[in-house]
Amino acid sequence: TQLLEQSPQFLSIQEGENLTVYCNSSSVFSSLQWYRQEPGEGPVLLVTVVTGGEVKKLKRLTFQFGDARKDSSLHITAAQPGDTGLYLCAGPDTGTASKLTFGTGTRLQVTL
Amino acid sequence: SAVISQKPSRDICQRGTSLTIQCQVDSQVTMMFWYRQQPGQSLTLIATANQGSEATYESGFVIDKFPISRPNLTFSTLTVSNMSPEDSSIYLCSVGSRYYGYTFGSGTRLTVV
Repeated sequence: TQLLEQSPQFLSIQEGENLTVYCNSSSVFSSLQWYRQEPGEGPVLLVTVVTGGEVKKLKRLTFQFGDARKDSSLHITAAQPGDTGLYLCAGPDTGTASKLTFGTGTRLQVTL
Repeated sequence: SAVISQKPSRDICQRGTSLTIQCQVDSQVTMMFWYRQQPGQSLTLIATANQGSEATYESGFVIDKFPISRPNLTFSTLTVSNMSPEDSSIYLCSVGSRYYGYTFGSGTRLTVV
């Protein structure tokens, strides 16, 4: 069974601060996806990273896929209250590629 | 990307009863996925629903407890049967692919009392 461990589990920061969320596994993933889930909603896809070492930017969010494709990180610059939510990494199951394994989740709260 | 309409959005149910959750997609899809999200937790896949065949259940989930229907390529239901308080969770349906990502319904928040 492939596992994705995220750290930290919880993060409470003030507006304007920077933060990094980590997603780690002992298994190799062909790709990883990052989602954000707000209360009362389903997860929403932020990005998919495919190539080892790949870096993708989405406004103030920077996503990196590890060279060995076993880990990924999400860096947020100058966090805003609108960034508050549950951040989830997810990767396709090696057995059945249509299935997703989700990470343990990082709950972020950004206060004024 | 696909748009999913899921209902009900929330319900409070008595133990021992059943609840059926519906998901409607605005386009035809081969596979639909049903997830459970326990309070404060990440998502766990319950089953994959293919049109025209029985759903494929993950370890720890059985058809008698979570029967699934998939009558056509745009619709699916998940029933939570003989509910207990431990079934209190958010249930989500999803469609998509590893290449383009997955779209989720807004979820059904179930409380069993």
